Amino acid sequence: EDQVTQSPEALRLQEGESSSLNCSYTVSGLRGLFWYRQDPGKGPEFLFTLYSAGEEKEKERLKATLTKKESFLHITAPKPEDSATYLCAVQANYGGSQGNLIFGKGTKLSVKP
Amino acid sequence: DTGVSQDPRHKITKRGQNVTFRCDPISEHNRLYWYRQTLGQGPEFLTYFQNEAQLEKSRLLSDRFSAERPKGSFSTLEIQRTEQGDSAMYLCASSWANYEQYFGPGTRLTVT
Repeated sequence: EDQVTQSPEALRLQEGESSSLNCSYTVSGLRGLFWYRQDPGKGPEFLFTLYSAGEEKEKERLKATLTKKESFLHITAPKPEDSATYLCAVQANYGGSQGNLIFGKGTKLSVKP
Repeated sequence: DTGVSQDPRHKITKRGQNVTFRCDPISEHNRLYWYRQTLGQGPEFLTYFQNEAQLEKSRLLSDRFSAERPKGSFSTLEIQRTEQGDSAMYLCASSWANYEQYFGPGTRLTVT
């Protein structure tokens, strides 16, 4: 069964303290891996898509990387406005499952000033 | 580009009543998805459309749930005979083909 596991569930950082969030996945055929940011009471906001092992994407203080079994979201020198829940999702490329995303439970990041 | 919009943003209903939600996707997008999210969980897939055709439905989508996308534009999600377990955030997303999905703000449903 396709599955996404994110760790840690919650992460507290001081402003400027860099860290990484982990997303482990099990899927028979990976079409793409997606990272989203979600603020309380709002819909997920798209951040990155990664398609193949070794690929990296960057946006401001965020950098996403992908291996054959997991993805990391690195946060460099975070600021309080980076506080949010970060969601990882995979999209499979076999059978009829070529549309929907399978999400993890997310990592809730809190950045204190 | 105004993004994906959903209406209403909040809905409180009594158990047993029917409710309908609307989603307007990004205009250039041909795919539209419905997800459900409960507290502390990631979104769970319900169903998706490519243009007006409903291509996939999750087993989470019981007979009480129905979705339509007439003319391949906006979509509606109806829940009949609501139950307390239906309380959740209902999220709509749209995409061009299999590419990244953009989500709307969601409709929060509370069944009392």
